[in-house]
Amino acid sequence: KAGVTQTPRYLIKTRGQQVTLSCSPISGHRSVSWYQQTPGQGLQFLFEYFSETQRNKGNFPGRFSGRQFSNSRSEMNVSTLELGDSALYLCASRSGAGVSETQYFGPGTRLLVL
Amino acid sequence: EDQVTQSPEALRLQEGESSSLNCSYTVSGLRGLFWYRQDPGKGPEFLFTLYSAGEEKEKERLKATLTKKESFLHITAPKPEDSATYLCAVQAVNNNDMRFGAGTRLTVKP
Repeated sequence: KAGVTQTPRYLIKTRGQQVTLSCSPISGHRSVSWYQQTPGQGLQFLFEYFSETQRNKGNFPGRFSGRQFSNSRSEMNVSTLELGDSALYLCASRSGAGVSETQYFGPGTRLLVL
Repeated sequence: EDQVTQSPEALRLQEGESSSLNCSYTVSGLRGLFWYRQDPGKGPEFLFTLYSAGEEKEKERLKATLTKKESFLHITAPKPEDSATYLCAVQAVNNNDMRFGAGTRLTVKP
Protein backbone atom coordinates (compact mmCIF):
# COMPACT_ATOMS: atom_id res chain seq x y z
CA LYS A 1 0.00 0.00 0.00
CA ALA A 2 1.43 3.39 -0.94
CA GLY A 3 2.27 5.75 1.89
CA VAL A 4 1.38 9.38 2.44
CA THR A 5 2.72 11.59 -0.32
CA GLN A 6 3.38 15.32 -0.18
CA THR A 7 4.16 17.80 -2.91
CA PRO A 8 6.26 19.71 -3.47
CA ARG A 9 9.13 18.41 -1.35
CA TYR A 10 10.99 21.71 -1.30
CA LEU A 11 9.83 25.28 -1.78
CA ILE A 12 11.44 28.70 -1.59
CA LYS A 13 9.22 31.76 -1.25
CA THR A 14 9.67 35.40 -0.28
CA ARG A 15 7.93 37.31 2.48
CA GLY A 16 4.40 38.37 1.64
CA GLN A 17 3.80 35.61 -0.87
CA GLN A 18 1.38 32.77 -0.39
CA VAL A 19 1.96 29.04 -0.74
CA THR A 20 -0.16 25.91 -1.20
CA LEU A 21 1.03 22.49 -0.13
CA SER A 22 -0.58 19.21 -1.12
CA CYS A 23 -1.03 15.90 0.67
CA SER A 24 -2.38 12.58 -0.59
CA PRO A 25 -3.25 10.20 2.27
CA ILE A 26 -2.93 6.45 2.37
CA SER A 27 -5.68 4.84 0.31
CA GLY A 28 -8.80 4.40 2.44
CA HIS A 29 -7.75 6.96 5.04
CA ARG A 30 -10.25 9.76 5.51
CA SER A 31 -8.48 11.81 8.17
CA VAL A 32 -5.63 14.13 7.28
CA SER A 33 -3.72 16.21 9.82
CA TRP A 34 -1.12 18.89 9.22
CA TYR A 35 1.84 19.73 11.45
CA GLN A 36 4.57 22.35 11.44
CA GLN A 37 8.02 21.28 12.61
CA THR A 38 10.75 23.76 13.52
CA PRO A 39 13.95 23.31 15.53
CA GLY A 40 12.71 25.67 18.23
CA GLN A 41 9.09 24.58 18.63
CA GLY A 42 9.20 20.96 17.55
CA LEU A 43 6.13 19.36 16.01
CA GLN A 44 3.03 21.51 16.36
CA PHE A 45 -0.48 20.56 15.29
CA LEU A 46 -2.10 22.82 12.69
CA PHE A 47 -5.44 21.20 11.86
CA GLU A 48 -7.22 17.98 11.01
CA TYR A 49 -9.71 17.29 8.24
CA PHE A 50 -12.11 14.38 8.11
CA SER A 51 -14.57 13.82 5.29
CA GLU A 52 -13.96 17.32 3.91
CA THR A 53 -14.67 19.01 7.27
CA GLN A 54 -12.19 20.58 9.65
CA ARG A 55 -12.49 18.49 12.80
CA ASN A 56 -9.82 20.06 14.95
CA LYS A 57 -7.60 23.14 14.89
CA GLY A 58 -4.36 24.10 16.60
CA ASN A 59 -3.23 27.47 17.81
CA PHE A 60 -2.06 29.09 14.59
CA PRO A 61 -3.08 32.41 13.02
CA GLY A 62 -5.74 32.61 10.34
CA ARG A 63 -3.06 32.90 7.67
CA PHE A 64 -2.88 29.13 7.88
CA SER A 65 -5.83 27.38 6.28
CA GLY A 66 -6.63 24.08 4.70
CA ARG A 67 -9.19 22.07 2.90
CA GLN A 68 -9.94 18.50 1.99
CA PHE A 69 -11.41 17.14 -1.20
CA SER A 70 -13.89 14.32 -1.73
CA ASN A 71 -11.04 11.92 -2.54
CA SER A 72 -9.48 12.76 0.88
CA ARG A 73 -6.58 14.63 -0.64
CA SER A 74 -5.81 17.76 1.33
CA GLU A 75 -4.21 21.12 0.71
CA MET A 76 -2.74 23.59 3.15
CA ASN A 77 -2.40 27.27 2.34
CA VAL A 78 -0.31 29.91 4.04
CA SER A 79 -0.95 33.49 3.04
CA THR A 80 1.26 36.54 3.57
CA LEU A 81 4.32 34.47 4.39
CA GLU A 82 6.62 35.52 7.21
CA LEU A 83 10.23 34.53 7.82
CA GLY A 84 9.09 32.49 10.83
CA ASP A 85 6.96 30.28 8.60
CA SER A 86 10.12 28.55 7.39
CA ALA A 87 9.66 24.98 8.55
CA LEU A 88 9.07 21.38 7.61
CA TYR A 89 5.33 20.91 7.02
CA LEU A 90 4.17 17.38 7.67
CA CYS A 91 0.96 15.70 6.70
CA ALA A 92 -0.31 12.58 8.45
CA SER A 93 -3.23 10.31 7.68
CA ARG A 94 -5.30 7.72 9.50
CA SER A 95 -8.50 5.95 8.69
CA GLY A 96 -10.48 8.20 11.05
CA ALA A 97 -12.95 5.52 11.97
CA GLY A 98 -11.53 4.27 15.27
CA VAL A 99 -11.35 5.64 18.78
CA SER A 100 -7.58 5.86 18.70
CA GLU A 101 -5.57 5.24 15.64
CA THR A 102 -2.03 5.52 14.51
CA GLN A 103 -1.15 8.42 12.25
CA TYR A 104 1.24 7.77 9.38
CA PHE A 105 3.35 10.68 8.23
CA GLY A 106 4.46 11.79 4.81
CA PRO A 107 8.01 12.91 4.00
CA GLY A 108 7.14 16.58 4.49
CA THR A 109 7.49 19.77 2.49
CA ARG A 110 10.48 21.92 3.40
CA LEU A 111 9.47 25.58 3.08
CA LEU A 112 12.06 28.34 3.16
CA VAL A 113 10.84 31.93 3.34
CA LEU A 114 13.38 34.59 2.36
CA GLU B 1 -3.18 21.51 29.31
CA ASP B 2 -1.71 18.32 27.86
CA GLN B 3 2.07 18.19 28.16
CA VAL B 4 4.75 15.82 26.96
CA THR B 5 8.35 16.01 28.18
CA GLN B 6 11.10 13.83 26.77
CA SER B 7 14.49 13.21 28.34
CA PRO B 8 17.31 13.31 27.74
CA GLU B 9 17.41 15.82 24.87
CA ALA B 10 20.38 14.02 23.40
CA LEU B 11 22.00 10.67 24.10
CA ARG B 12 25.25 9.28 22.78
CA LEU B 13 25.84 5.54 23.09
CA GLN B 14 28.48 3.12 21.99
CA GLU B 15 27.31 0.30 19.79
CA GLY B 16 25.94 -2.43 22.07
CA GLU B 17 25.42 -0.10 25.04
CA SER B 18 21.78 -0.45 26.11
CA SER B 19 19.81 2.49 27.48
CA SER B 20 16.33 3.98 27.91
CA LEU B 21 14.56 7.10 26.70
CA ASN B 22 11.89 8.70 28.86
CA CYS B 23 8.58 10.32 27.96
CA SER B 24 6.64 11.94 30.82
CA TYR B 25 3.12 13.09 30.09
CA THR B 26 0.23 14.96 31.60
CA VAL B 27 -3.06 14.45 29.85
CA SER B 28 -6.70 14.62 30.84
CA GLY B 29 -7.48 11.01 29.99
CA LEU B 30 -5.06 9.09 27.79
CA ARG B 31 -6.43 7.71 24.57
CA GLY B 32 -3.05 6.56 23.24
CA LEU B 33 0.70 7.14 23.50
CA PHE B 34 2.76 6.91 20.34
CA TRP B 35 6.45 6.50 19.60
CA TYR B 36 7.97 7.60 16.32
CA ARG B 37 11.45 7.61 14.87
CA GLN B 38 12.56 10.50 12.68
CA ASP B 39 15.63 10.64 10.49
CA PRO B 40 16.99 14.05 9.41
CA GLY B 41 14.90 15.67 6.67
CA LYS B 42 12.27 12.93 6.74
CA GLY B 43 8.81 12.46 8.20
CA PRO B 44 8.34 10.55 11.47
CA GLU B 45 8.17 6.79 11.11
CA PHE B 46 5.67 4.97 13.33
CA LEU B 47 7.08 2.57 15.92
CA PHE B 48 4.52 1.78 18.64
CA THR B 49 1.13 2.65 20.09
CA LEU B 50 0.41 2.01 23.78
CA TYR B 51 -3.07 2.38 25.24
CA SER B 52 -3.02 1.45 28.92
CA ALA B 53 -0.67 1.30 31.89
CA GLY B 54 1.29 -1.93 32.04
CA GLU B 55 1.27 -2.43 28.31
CA GLU B 56 4.54 -3.33 26.57
CA LYS B 57 5.44 -3.68 22.89
CA GLU B 58 8.62 -4.85 21.21
CA LYS B 59 10.16 -4.51 17.78
CA GLU B 60 13.68 -5.74 17.10
CA ARG B 61 15.98 -3.92 19.54
CA LEU B 62 13.24 -1.59 20.81
CA LYS B 63 10.78 -2.12 23.64
CA ALA B 64 8.20 0.44 24.75
CA THR B 65 6.50 0.41 28.14
CA LEU B 66 3.76 2.56 29.66
CA THR B 67 2.79 3.63 33.17
CA LYS B 68 0.15 6.15 34.25
CA LYS B 69 2.67 9.00 34.11
CA GLU B 70 5.40 8.01 31.68
CA SER B 71 6.62 5.78 28.93
CA PHE B 72 10.05 4.34 28.32
CA LEU B 73 11.65 3.32 25.08
CA HIS B 74 14.32 0.74 25.89
CA ILE B 75 17.04 0.18 23.31
CA THR B 76 18.93 -3.09 23.69
CA ALA B 77 22.38 -3.48 22.10
CA PRO B 78 21.88 -0.53 19.73
CA LYS B 79 23.54 -0.32 16.33
CA PRO B 80 24.64 2.81 14.43
CA GLU B 81 21.54 2.54 12.23
CA ASP B 82 19.41 3.18 15.32
CA SER B 83 20.72 6.76 15.35
CA ALA B 84 17.73 9.09 14.91
CA THR B 85 15.43 11.39 16.83
CA TYR B 86 12.80 9.51 18.81
CA LEU B 87 9.50 11.31 19.30
CA CYS B 88 6.78 10.60 21.82
CA ALA B 89 3.20 11.85 21.39
CA VAL B 90 -0.04 11.56 23.35
CA GLN B 91 -3.64 11.70 22.27
CA ALA B 92 -6.27 12.65 24.85
CA VAL B 93 -9.75 11.19 25.05
CA ASN B 94 -11.34 14.59 24.45
CA ASN B 95 -9.20 15.54 21.48
CA ASN B 96 -8.30 14.17 18.08
CA ASP B 97 -4.93 15.86 17.74
CA MET B 98 -1.60 14.59 19.02
CA ARG B 99 0.70 16.47 21.37
CA PHE B 100 4.37 15.76 20.66
CA GLY B 101 7.39 15.97 22.90
CA ALA B 102 10.56 17.71 21.73
CA GLY B 103 12.25 14.39 21.04
CA THR B 104 15.46 12.63 22.07
CA ARG B 105 18.30 12.74 19.57
CA LEU B 106 20.09 9.39 19.77
CA THR B 107 23.56 8.85 18.35
CA VAL B 108 25.08 5.37 18.35
CA LYS B 109 28.81 5.25 17.68
CA PRO B 110 30.41 2.12 16.17
